[in-house]
Amino acid sequence: GAVVSQHPSWVICKSGTSVKIECRSLDFQATTMFWYRQFPKQSLMLMATSNEGSKATYEQGVEKDKFLINHASLTLSTLTVTSAHPEDSSFYICSALLPRLANSPLHFGNGTRLTVT
Amino acid sequence: SQQGEEDPQALSIQEGENATMNCSYKTSINNLQWYRQNSGRGLVHLILIRSNEREKHSGRLRVTLDTSKKSSSLLITASRAADTASYFCARGGGSNYKLTFGKGTLLTVNP
Repeated sequence: GAVVSQHPSWVICKSGTSVKIECRSLDFQATTMFWYRQFPKQSLMLMATSNEGSKATYEQGVEKDKFLINHASLTLSTLTVTSAHPEDSSFYICSALLPRLANSPLHFGNGTRLTVT
Repeated sequence: SQQGEEDPQALSIQEGENATMNCSYKTSINNLQWYRQNSGRGLVHLILIRSNEREKHSGRLRVTLDTSKKSSSLLITASRAADTASYFCARGGGSNYKLTFGKGTLLTVNP
């Protein structure tokens, strides 16, 4: 149980275009999802916390107008990288939290490799 | 940020040997979690230890937690080539359930 599906697994886009990444909880309702960014051989950097039905909470230094997050349903959160540039190339990973479970682990998607040319 | 910090950064061992990875953190925690990441993939949860626990086992995994030293260790016994991956500790704390990840240990198990 507790499967998180992330799509696409990889994407190549041109500078200036926008890319949408989807994160779905397949067998549970996730009121809270997290979006991370990971550079090669480095740790995960939390970008934002996505809450169903409300605005996302962004971490310091993350541009909310560049990384648009929408959590319109209990099973879907999307991250849109707007006007992508080569420096946005990275590995983006979403995770979801089982609701109302204290000390609950996160369930991760398999990540999206974004390459901006 | 109050990251957990793992050491060593990289560890190379032979199959059958044990692998020990350490994690230190700076602030109080509700729990500490260990995750595994295969190259280019998402993270898989391995084990969670609560702040009031000192040791926990799961199969070939053994995790210890010393809150007085703000440190944790992950021991993988009788390692296998398939254990090759990056291992991250993550500090859990606060009501927002955010996790703060360390930089990870890259474990290579040679057949």
